[in-house]
Amino acid sequence: NAGVMQNPRHLVRRRGQEARLRCSPMKGHSHVYWYRQLPEEGLKFMVYLQKENIIDESGMPKERFSAEFPKEGPSILRIQQVVRGDSAAYFCASSPQRGNTEAFFGQGTRLTVV
Amino acid sequence: QKEVEQNSGPLSVPEGAIASLNCTYSDRGSQSFFWYRQYSGKSPELIMFIYSNGDKEDGRFTAQLNKASQYVSLLIRDSQPSDSATYLCAVMGTSGTYKYIFGTGTRLKVLA
Repeated sequence: NAGVMQNPRHLVRRRGQEARLRCSPMKGHSHVYWYRQLPEEGLKFMVYLQKENIIDESGMPKERFSAEFPKEGPSILRIQQVVRGDSAAYFCASSPQRGNTEAFFGQGTRLTVV
Repeated sequence: QKEVEQNSGPLSVPEGAIASLNCTYSDRGSQSFFWYRQYSGKSPELIMFIYSNGDKEDGRFTAQLNKASQYVSLLIRDSQPSDSATYLCAVMGTSGTYKYIFGTGTRLKVLA
């Protein structure tokens, strides 16, 4: 019974490159949430997706960041032209339905921009 | 005003004592409340959730919810050094999209 799977666990990118973070939700879960966490800080909401739909992207920076959750395959968080300030842990969580249910987290991707 | 507020701590308690962690929220219509534990360098793991006013117990953990006061707490009985972690409170709001909003967490230290 696999949990939420994120890969890669660690990602190093040079400034200006693209970063692609992947998240496969738990079996039976069709709702995915992405969060960013800086050291010693809380989880900051980025985007909430359901299969083929972006439900809420109010936490996403206007530029360079995008997310998708296709009908088949994992959810992808894409960061174009990365800058040092993008270095953080990015966590994905999934839930089986919208509202009044628990969300479970993956192990996270730690992005380092050099 | 932050949507979900927690005292950052650290909260230090001796082994065997009761640790009390508190959280307040601003959205009066919030329906669901969650407590997660996060060890340093690890991902958040769900401890428990509560939807109704009152207490909910699960082993050594008790969640307490008071919607009128917009307050939710987590009690850890018989605290162990292994409970030392950051505890995150999350609230699911009613502003249409049902996303989980997290507080900044309270760091708990259980002293052996």
